[in-house]
Amino acid sequence: DGGITQSPKYLFRKEGQNVTLSCEQNLNHDAMYWYRQDPGQGLRLIYYSQIVNDFQKGDIAEGYSVSREKKESFPLTVTSAQKNPTAFYLCASRHYSLNTEAFFGQGTRLTVV
Amino acid sequence: AQKVTQAQTEISVVEKEDVTLDCVYETRDTTYYLFWYKQPPSGELVFLIRRNSFDEQNEISGRYSWNFQKSTSSFNFTITASQVVDSAVYFCALSGQGGGADGLTFGKGTHLIIQP
Repeated sequence: DGGITQSPKYLFRKEGQNVTLSCEQNLNHDAMYWYRQDPGQGLRLIYYSQIVNDFQKGDIAEGYSVSREKKESFPLTVTSAQKNPTAFYLCASRHYSLNTEAFFGQGTRLTVV
Repeated sequence: AQKVTQAQTEISVVEKEDVTLDCVYETRDTTYYLFWYKQPPSGELVFLIRRNSFDEQNEISGRYSWNFQKSTSSFNFTITASQVVDSAVYFCALSGQGGGADGLTFGKGTHLIIQP
């Protein structure tokens, strides 16, 4: 079945530690996105990528990094520079040139302990 | 800059009542796309509908209907004869004519509670 897979579902991070969230899609979509969701804040764009080896900062990129070495994969690293990383993270993909709807993964809930 | 406003933070109704979720958007693009998503407690966003700016026809899908009015920059969502399974957070989103490469701009969501 085609879709987007995020892992892990739950992640705990210690202060000062970098963690990487995985996002894989087999929909052959060119664009991929990372969103952060906080209670009452809706979804805010962290990073997006239109093609392999290229990505752009979204509205809240500080403290995060990404890579796009393969079309299918768009991992997000939450670095120690992100002061308030506890949130729900959602990965999405779509055909950006066709302006289709975005398909979302099941999300990763990150908690700082 | 694009903006989506969902003024209703939370709505609570009794099962079988009709309920309308409001969405107002702002964009300078002449071509744009509007979306509605449902987020159940599991967290994954489920796509409901996509509408482009040139198609102002209202759409009905079962108990769901959408009213797109360009004159008021609104794209409202109505659930008829609501059911407990409709309880979720609903997001309205907007994508501009740039191909959507910069992602979707989301509203803050409306938490819909359907009481039995």
